[in-house]
This record gives sequence, structure tokens and C-alpha cells, in this order.
Amino acid sequence: DAGVIQSPRHEVTEMGQEVTLRCKPISGHNSLFWYRQTMMRGLELLIYFNNNVPIDDSGMPEDRFSAKMPNASFSTLKIQPSEPRDSAVYFCASTPGRTGELFFGEGSRLTVL
Amino acid sequence: GIQVEQSPPDLILQEGANSTLRCNFSDSVNNLQWFHQNPWGQLINLFYIPSGTKQNGRLSATTVATERYSLLYISSSQTTDSGVYFCAVERYNFGNEKLTFGTGTRLTIIP
Repeated sequence: DAGVIQSPRHEVTEMGQEVTLRCKPISGHNSLFWYRQTMMRGLELLIYFNNNVPIDDSGMPEDRFSAKMPNASFSTLKIQPSEPRDSAVYFCASTPGRTGELFFGEGSRLTVL
Repeated sequence: GIQVEQSPPDLILQEGANSTLRCNFSDSVNNLQWFHQNPWGQLINLFYIPSGTKQNGRLSATTVATERYSLLYISSSQTTDSGVYFCAVERYNFGNEKLTFGTGTRLTIIP
């Protein structure tokens, strides 16, 4: 069975550019999570969706960040404009129900120059 | 919010040794998971264990929910066990449940 699929795996961009990260959750999973991991702050939950509806976006750092889930099999995390401090690994994860066992994708490593 | 503490923060062992990693949490939980982040950055599910004991090969985990701790045992360590081990917990919150992660235990297995 396919796991959580993220793209791109690596992204290098310049400050001010728009970045879009993509995620396909495990088929049949109802909840999708976006995390950010840095050395300084560890793993941070940015936003999560249940049945395609955003439930909690309190972790989104600022208005430059936005996330969408137009259908059950696809989500995007967008940063516009990007800044060097956004450099991090962004993980997408999904669970079968509103809660339960969490499965991570392989992450998208973002570097903003 | 719920607090999660992992110990020890760092552990260096010879290949073949056994280890015990601990996770303490500050409130009752309905979900507890252990993850391994390997040196390539992948976060891998080890156990979903809100209570009781589970075993998977050389790894086993025990959660004593009433005493608010969980233990991860690794026997006969191999170099591929190196990485960071995270404990994450969740408690019921009226439809807004989300996992809270500990800061991890960094395990280094020396050949």
C-alpha cells in the first residue's frame, strides 16, 4: 500500500518566491496534518484537516502561510512570499479517523536563500 | 496543554547492547505513539500504544496509562537503530485532538 506521498522532496528557492508543497494522504484516511521541523523548534503542527475541513490552524506562523485540501486525496501548503526563516523540513501526515495512528510522508526539505 | 518529557536526551551504546527509553506525560491520554526518525530524516511509526504492551521483533513498548509513562525497549541494538526516538501523546479535546511530541531521545549505536 502506498504511504503518504509528498512533493517535492527538496526545494531551493530565493527569498520572496512562492513555494507550494503537495501531499497525498493514505487512501481512506480522513485526517491530514502539516508539520514543520527545525533544529531550534523541533516538530510543530501547522494545521490539520478532518474530512477536508480545516480544524485547527493555530500553528500557522503568519499570513504568508496558507493550506488547502480541495479533496480527500490532495492537500497543498503554500508560502508566499517565502523568507529564509521558513527553511525547514515540512512533513505531511494522515490518520484513518479524526484521531488514531499517525503516518508521516518522507518530508519536503525547503531551503530559502 | 499536556507536557511530554523524554529521557535520556542522548544515548550512545555499543552494537548488541540493550536500551530503555522513557516517556513521561502530564495528563491522561487516549493516544500514545512511538516514532523513529532515522538519519535520513524519515519518521517511521513504531508503536501505537495508548496502554498495555506490544512487541515487534527486537523492539517492544509498554504504556502504563495510570502512572503516565511509556517505555520503549530496544534489544540487541544494531547500527540501523540509530536516530531520534519520539514519543507523542494525545488527549480527548472535544474534536480538536492533536498529538503533542516530546523532544526526543537521540540514540547512537557504535559498531
